[in-house]
Amino acid sequence: KAGVTQTPRYLIKTRGQQVTLSCSPISGHRSVSWYQQTPGQGLQFLFEYFSETQRNKGNFPGRFSGRQFSNSRSEMNVSTLELGDSALYLCASRNPADEKLFFGSGTQLSVL
Amino acid sequence: EDQVTQSPEALRLQEGESSSLNCSYTVSGLRGLFWYRQDPGKGPEFLFTLYSAGEEKEKERLKATLTKKESFLHITAPKPEDSATYLCAVQAMPSSASKIIFGSGTRLSIRP
Repeated sequence: KAGVTQTPRYLIKTRGQQVTLSCSPISGHRSVSWYQQTPGQGLQFLFEYFSETQRNKGNFPGRFSGRQFSNSRSEMNVSTLELGDSALYLCASRNPADEKLFFGSGTQLSVL
Repeated sequence: EDQVTQSPEALRLQEGESSSLNCSYTVSGLRGLFWYRQDPGKGPEFLFTLYSAGEEKEKERLKATLTKKESFLHITAPKPEDSATYLCAVQAMPSSASKIIFGSGTRLSIRP
């Protein structure tokens, strides 16, 4: 069974630009969560999608948004990038009946 | 607000030297507490789920325990391959739809 796939693996952007990250969950998993990981703050919850609907949301500004498609693939968008948005963005999928999260390897975003 | 605090931030041990990692949590009602392992350049990997005070889970050299306010990850006779960051997470009631919140992690280094 294929794991969670995130693309791209690395990304370099400049301040003010926008970026879109992609996540393909494990087959059969309908829930996708996004986390931001930085050395200082650890893993911060961004949002969770289930069956194309946002189910939970963390404390991030509106510049961070996401969506989920009918095949459960998810995208995350960050607009008007700031230097502080530099981080590892992790996607995780789960079967909602099971709380175990399966993570991808992440997208390392650097904002210059 | 739900909160997870892990200590210490970093721990260096000699091979074979047993120790414990701590995870303190504040949550309105605990549905589950989770331990994950994260290797550099990879996403976190699930280790254990604990549901109620007094519960224990074991896997090889790792044992996780849970009280009403904290959880411990005991590492017995560790080996260099146990070096990683260990993350604790909690999920609050009322349901499996609740978001999962992570602590900042403990970086464990085992010297040969």
